[in-house]
Amino acid sequence: NAGVTQTPKFQVLKTGQSMTLQCAQDMNHEYMSWYRQDPGMGLRLIHYSVGAGITDQGEVPNGYNVSRSTTEDFPLRLLSAAPSQTSVYFCASSIQADTEAFFGQGTRLTVV
Amino acid sequence: KNQVEQSPQSLIILEGKNCTLQCNYTVSPFSNLRWYKQDTGRGPVSLTIMTFSENTKSNGRYTATLDADTKQSSLHITASQLSDSASYICVVQRGTGGFKTIFGAGTRLFVKA
Repeated sequence: NAGVTQTPKFQVLKTGQSMTLQCAQDMNHEYMSWYRQDPGMGLRLIHYSVGAGITDQGEVPNGYNVSRSTTEDFPLRLLSAAPSQTSVYFCASSIQADTEAFFGQGTRLTVV
Repeated sequence: KNQVEQSPQSLIILEGKNCTLQCNYTVSPFSNLRWYKQDTGRGPVSLTIMTFSENTKSNGRYTATLDADTKQSSLHITASQLSDSASYICVVQRGTGGFKTIFGAGTRLFVKA
């Protein structure tokens, strides 16, 4: 019963470094998405995917890339980290866009 | 503008008491409204999902109501427990072109013994 697994749980990056946040789900869900959560604000959508091979931009996509080569995996890549990307990142999956979403435990990222 | 506003921002109640959290939205066209519980340091967990035709949905001690005419929802927690201490997030989906999802900022609930 793994559900949605995110790695790492914590990460500190220096400005300009790149890294990939991993997300995997074992529920055979077609829809996957990445959000960032900042203090005092609602979660904001970064990128989403409606199925393998298909990705699209959300509300705040700048500075991030995604790919969806398999149904299970949806990694989020930070191209050149900036302090403004300090946040908690959540990956979520669901059968479809309008069905119940299951979230991972989150990755707390600090960019110094 | 599509917005979801929650009140209060935070709330402190004694264990065993009831409470009600509010959610007002301006999202249109409406598809569905969800309530999530988020424990500190964890991801959100779904409590309820309601569509336009549903005005009440329960999940144990949690009861959500929806008034689609006034664009208001509430989450009522009965006989609170210490484990109810968490953030409660109201989420509304638009029902057009990709089901855009708008998250409220959440209500932080503290249940004290």
